[in-house]
Amino acid sequence: AQTVTQSQPEMSVQEAETVTLSCTYDTSENNYYLFWYKQPPSRQMILVIRQEAYKQQNATENRFSVNFQKAAKSFSLKISDSQLGDTAMYFCAFMKPVFGATNKLIFGTGTLLAVQP
Amino acid sequence: DGGITQSPKYLFRKEGQNVTLSCEQNLNHDAMYWYRQDPGQGLRLIYYSQIVNDFQKGDIAEGYSVSREKKESFPLTVTSAQKNPTAFYLCASRRTDSYGYTFGSGTRLTVV
Repeated sequence: AQTVTQSQPEMSVQEAETVTLSCTYDTSENNYYLFWYKQPPSRQMILVIRQEAYKQQNATENRFSVNFQKAAKSFSLKISDSQLGDTAMYFCAFMKPVFGATNKLIFGTGTLLAVQP
Repeated sequence: DGGITQSPKYLFRKEGQNVTLSCEQNLNHDAMYWYRQDPGQGLRLIYYSQIVNDFQKGDIAEGYSVSREKKESFPLTVTSAQKNPTAFYLCASRRTDSYGYTFGSGTRLTVV
């Protein structure tokens, strides 16, 4: 069974600084997707970034980028130029994509990020 | 705008009562999911449905039931058999040919 581990329950960063959130996972699969979701105080789950395991290039979305280390089973999220609106709970998630199957998301326990002014 | 609507946002029930959480989507998505969120535990899958009139148990289905009579709707009933029902419940949907989820804004259920 796949598992996702986020070892940092809480983190804090100053506005405009850079912060890295850690995520490790365990799987015997070779083809899978990894995600970072953001859950602000409104509790709406928002997709931040997605990485396909077959892609060697790390995904980036504006100020958000990942460091995907497949052999180490590590998937960290870097937030550059942190903004107050980045304050949220961040979840790392794993999916084994199979057409027609469950395609469920397996979530880590989350990291609560506070951006300080 | 297309999206997922969960209602109500907050729900209070007495212990021993069944309660139904609503989830409606107008995205024309085939697959729908219910997740439960507890502090320090992330999100866990309760039930999912890939087509109308079909649904499957997830990882923590005990004490819950669902129906999928319409493509747009996937209500979740929390029964009296659920031992610890107080939690935040999230509904999600997905197109069959995509691996991206769309989430609703959730329902906070408190059982007293």
